[in-house]
Amino acid sequence: DAKTTQPPSMDCAEGRAANLPCNHSTISGNEYVYWYRQIHSQGPQYIIHGLKNNETNEMASLIITEDRKSSTLILPHATLRDTAVYYCIVSPQGGSEKLVFGKGTKLTVNP
Amino acid sequence: GAGVSQTPSNKVTEKGKYVELRCDPISGHTALYWYRQSLGQGPEFLIYFQGTGAADDSGLPNDRFFAVRPEGSVSTLKIQRTERGDSAVYLCASSLDYRGNGYTFGSGTRLTVV
Repeated sequence: DAKTTQPPSMDCAEGRAANLPCNHSTISGNEYVYWYRQIHSQGPQYIIHGLKNNETNEMASLIITEDRKSSTLILPHATLRDTAVYYCIVSPQGGSEKLVFGKGTKLTVNP
Repeated sequence: GAGVSQTPSNKVTEKGKYVELRCDPISGHTALYWYRQSLGQGPEFLIYFQGTGAADDSGLPNDRFFAVRPEGSVSTLKIQRTERGDSAVYLCASSLDYRGNGYTFGSGTRLTVV
């Protein structure tokens, strides 16, 4: 079973920030938080990952609470192309651990 | 190629038939994974290869499912005596052994058993 909890759906206006929450209260010390997204009819796409510090890349920012029990993925200026299902996953880094996906959050960006 | 390639993109087969699904990973990626995704669900892990060997096949649902990766690159997922419940999108992903930037997934094969 997935070790994360996400809202099933969210809406966001185009050009505004999209903030997607994730709860992972049972995360272990060696587990990272990964975010993937899946656009319709495509395979999942890696977005970002982190351990305890906030992370930013060209796609998004990841904010992890100090107790590491929850995190938020931020898309700073959402576009229509960001409409997708977003998955939050916890997994050890290194080696090749399998990813356990939940149902994710369906983000709809509206014009 | 630049990405993970899966063929065919769509496959329709009759109940009871045998099917093979192919995955070409990114060159140099030693780890390869198969997942299955049913409508409205997240991907479900099936099997993981490190090189030529199956390091974890705990997700294969039963003995009708089998996968190989004989030369450590291309992998084939084989399903015998297909059932209607096997209908799903079968996803393949590959990664470097050190998964710093995550997996790269293919677009999947949509299998329909009629």
